[in-house]
Amino acid sequence: NAGVTQTPKFQVLKTGQSMTLQCAQDMNHNSMYWYRQDPGMGLRLIYYSASEGTTDKGEVPNGYNVSRLNKREFSLRLESAAPSQTSVYFCASSEVWTVSYEQYFGPGTRLTVT
Amino acid sequence: AQKITQTQPGMFVQEKEAVTLDCTYDTSDQSYGLFWYKQPSSGEMIFLIYQGSYDEQNATEGRYSLNFQKARKSANLVISASQLGDSAMYFCAMRGGAGGTSYGKLTFGQGTILTVHP
Repeated sequence: NAGVTQTPKFQVLKTGQSMTLQCAQDMNHNSMYWYRQDPGMGLRLIYYSASEGTTDKGEVPNGYNVSRLNKREFSLRLESAAPSQTSVYFCASSEVWTVSYEQYFGPGTRLTVT
Repeated sequence: AQKITQTQPGMFVQEKEAVTLDCTYDTSDQSYGLFWYKQPSSGEMIFLIYQGSYDEQNATEGRYSLNFQKARKSANLVISASQLGDSAMYFCAMRGGAGGTSYGKLTFGQGTILTVHP
């Protein structure tokens, strides 16, 4: 039972390059999320997927796209990376029909855009 | 919209002492949930404790307790008998909305760095 896994762990991109961050969960959760964490700040929601087949914007969606490939997997794509997207990216999942809706987080991807 | 405010950028505590980390929130939702997460230097996010807005008792989990004052819109984390391993960043977060309408989305505060001295 791996929980939430993310690949890659580290990535360096040049401005204008594209890449996809992968996330998978094995807890059979319906909802999945992508957050970014910038230095000295809390996590901010980029996109979320309430259930398989649905996605919606969060607080900071500009410059990103997402795909909910199936119930397990939720990917985040940067089409044309910018230095402002240098950040640590966290994927999370939860089952919203539980009492607390606790979110389980992946280990994060540290992305640097030069 | 929800807002979480953590006004203490950094806190220091002696080992074995108790410490309180402050968190205030703002929401127009009647039903909401409050969370605390720990982020050690290794970077992972570790769930500590949860308080529902309708819970009448303060939540406790081992050495962690949540001092929930609904009228003041505060949800402070109390760590008793601090240990060196408690040194980390601590985040307060809120989930708004009743039932599944919020889809579990979390709004985070800026965090408080806790340093435990031996």
